[in-house]
Amino acid sequence: GQQLNQSPQSMFIQEGEDVSMNCTSSSIFNTWLWYKQDPGEGPVLLIALYKAGELTSNGRLTAQFGITRKDSFLNISASIPSDVGIYFCAGQLPRGGSNYKLTFGKGTLLTVNP
Amino acid sequence: ETGVTQSPTHLIKTRGQQVTLRCSSQSGHNTVSWYQQALGQGPQFIFQYYREEENGRGNFPPRFSGLQFPNYSSELNVNALELDDSALYLCASSRGQGASNYGYTFGSGTRLTVV
Repeated sequence: GQQLNQSPQSMFIQEGEDVSMNCTSSSIFNTWLWYKQDPGEGPVLLIALYKAGELTSNGRLTAQFGITRKDSFLNISASIPSDVGIYFCAGQLPRGGSNYKLTFGKGTLLTVNP
Repeated sequence: ETGVTQSPTHLIKTRGQQVTLRCSSQSGHNTVSWYQQALGQGPQFIFQYYREEENGRGNFPPRFSGLQFPNYSSELNVNALELDDSALYLCASSRGQGASNYGYTFGSGTRLTVV
């Protein structure tokens, strides 16, 4: 099935460093979401973006909805060990039928060394 | 507020069998979506239920079917199980069909293993 292009695939960083990951798509989305998934759990919503150009923060997390509506990035500042996990971007097409589905990236595995 | 709950948490089935997975939506949510997540992949949309009717379907065969009940809870049924059906099945609920306003809230999933 269709998936977004998410990069990088994995990251190994030291505690305190900043992290950046991004997603691109060939399709225009009207909503971008960023989720974090821990082992054995479902994805947990971190940030939701609803407008092209929108920049939204949630604590140490900042995400932006690209102007072209085909990309988004997530930044994590001053990483801590509990940031470890898999981060997924997800996009939703404009309204209607199966367009209500979320299309996910393959995820970015983040490892933080204390 | 109660989150999304799924049952069972783990399940082992034999190829060719049928399985039913269950989901209780978060309080105040009227829409349920089901996703399949294979190991090392992002979740893939199976279908969505709104007002007890299927409202959009991903690229999954008809042996994947579902139901939504008046209390907004939902079931996912898979017939004639195949080895490739082994995955984490996630249920997500939302307030309305789209992700606007609140996004989707996911349950912890059911890990299905087909042997």
